[in-house]
Amino acid sequence: SQQGEEDPQALSIQEGENATMNCSYKTSINNLQWYRQNSGRGLVHLILIRSNEREKHSGRLRVTLDTSKKSSSLLITASRAADTASYFCATDAGNDMRFGAGTRLTVKP
Amino acid sequence: EAGVAQSPRYKIIEKRQSVAFWCNPISGHATLYWYQQILGQGPKLLIQFQNNGVVDDSQLPKDRFSAERLKGVDSTLKIQPAKLEDSAVYLCASSPDRVHTIYFGEGSWLTVV
Repeated sequence: SQQGEEDPQALSIQEGENATMNCSYKTSINNLQWYRQNSGRGLVHLILIRSNEREKHSGRLRVTLDTSKKSSSLLITASRAADTASYFCATDAGNDMRFGAGTRLTVKP
Repeated sequence: EAGVAQSPRYKIIEKRQSVAFWCNPISGHATLYWYQQILGQGPKLLIQFQNNGVVDDSQLPKDRFSAERLKGVDSTLKIQPAKLEDSAVYLCASSPDRVHTIYFGEGSWLTVV
């Protein structure tokens, strides 16, 4: 069974706008990771946030984690057409990494 | 550093036939994963190895799927006999251990007709 659930399922924005994706999960976790997948390719790791962290930045990416609400968000600022991809959250609950169904982001030039 | 290697990249077989996928993880990575990703869905964990031992295979359909990791390095995933619903991308991934970032291969695309 999948642990995380991303919201929205699909998001379409204009280049330069910000994109926010959310992830909710069910059980306690050690860490949460976000991955990107371009069409027809494997998944690429973006950022890892540990359960004792609340916010993390990497370039144009900002991830927040609220363990009390069992949720995380990924913000991509100043989006580019090249950011068009599917984004997945993955939760580490101690045994293995479980992925959600993903958010399909389309950035229009 | 070389990434996770998978082969073949694409395979088309008829239902009830068998197929095998091969994975070579990043050198030194103790943990190896096989995920199944059906079009439009997220990756679903099939099996996880720690060195050459199985950590989790709870979602592996053991009546038709099997996997092994020889000498704690390369791994093969076999499907026999294949069903139409097995059409998916089979992603191999590895990590230094169970609490680190997972690195994915490009995947093996299976179409069962």
